[in-house]
Amino acid sequence: GAVVSQHPSWVICKSGTSVKIECRSLDFQATTMFWYRQFPKQSLMLMATSNEGSKATYEQGVEKDKFLINHASLTLSTLTVTSAHPEDSSFYICSASFQGGEEKLFFGSGTQLSVL
Amino acid sequence: GENVEQHPSTLSVQEGDSAVIKCTYSDSASNYFPWYKQELGKRPQLIIDIRSNVGEKKDQRIAVTLNKTAKHFSLHITETQPEDSAVYFCAASIGGIGNQFYFGTGTSLTVIP
Repeated sequence: GAVVSQHPSWVICKSGTSVKIECRSLDFQATTMFWYRQFPKQSLMLMATSNEGSKATYEQGVEKDKFLINHASLTLSTLTVTSAHPEDSSFYICSASFQGGEEKLFFGSGTQLSVL
Repeated sequence: GENVEQHPSTLSVQEGDSAVIKCTYSDSASNYFPWYKQELGKRPQLIIDIRSNVGEKKDQRIAVTLNKTAKHFSLHITETQPEDSAVYFCAASIGGIGNQFYFGTGTSLTVIP
C-alpha cells in the first residue's frame, strides 16, 4: 500500500513553545491530507482537512490559530501546535488520500505530544 | 453530515472463535467503507474495505458485509488469534478526491489464548 511518513513520533516540550509535525506521502501525491487527534482508547477526531495550495478547512471547535496547517506541496503537510499547553498533549495522526484508481486512506505513524 | 456508529465498544473472544463488529451509517451517499486495525501507539492499518456496489468481500480470515438498504456493514473475523487483539475502526466515505472519512468510535477486541 501507499506509505505515509510522519515525524517526529514522540515529542516532549515545555509549555508555551511551538511544535511542528510533518506528514509526507512517500510514493504518491496527496492532494488532500487529514489531521486527527486521538485520546487514549478513543476514536480519531478529525481536526482539519489540508488541501495542497489552499487554506485548510478546520472542524468546528478546532482553533485555526493554534493548530496551523500548511500543505505547501503534494507530498508534504505540516501541523504546528503553537504555544502548546498541557491540554494539547495528545496523539496526533495524519492521513493522506491515495487515488490510485480507487480512493483509499492511509495513515502516518502518529506523533505523541507531551507538553510539560 | 455523516454519522457512523460502531458496536460493541469492547469484545472478548476465545482464540479460535469468531468476532463480529457492526457499524451503521446515516448518509445514503456514502459508498466506500474501510476497516482499520490499530495496535496500541501505532497507526491505523487498512485491513479490508468494501464499496457500495458489492455486498460482501473476503480476505482469508477477514470478511466484510454491506447492507445498503439498512445502512449497515460488519466486519467478521474467523478463527481468531491473539495477534488479532487490537482496536478496530470502521469508516464511511462518499468517495472522491478530498472527501472526508467518518470513523466509528472503535471496538477493542481481545482474543483470549
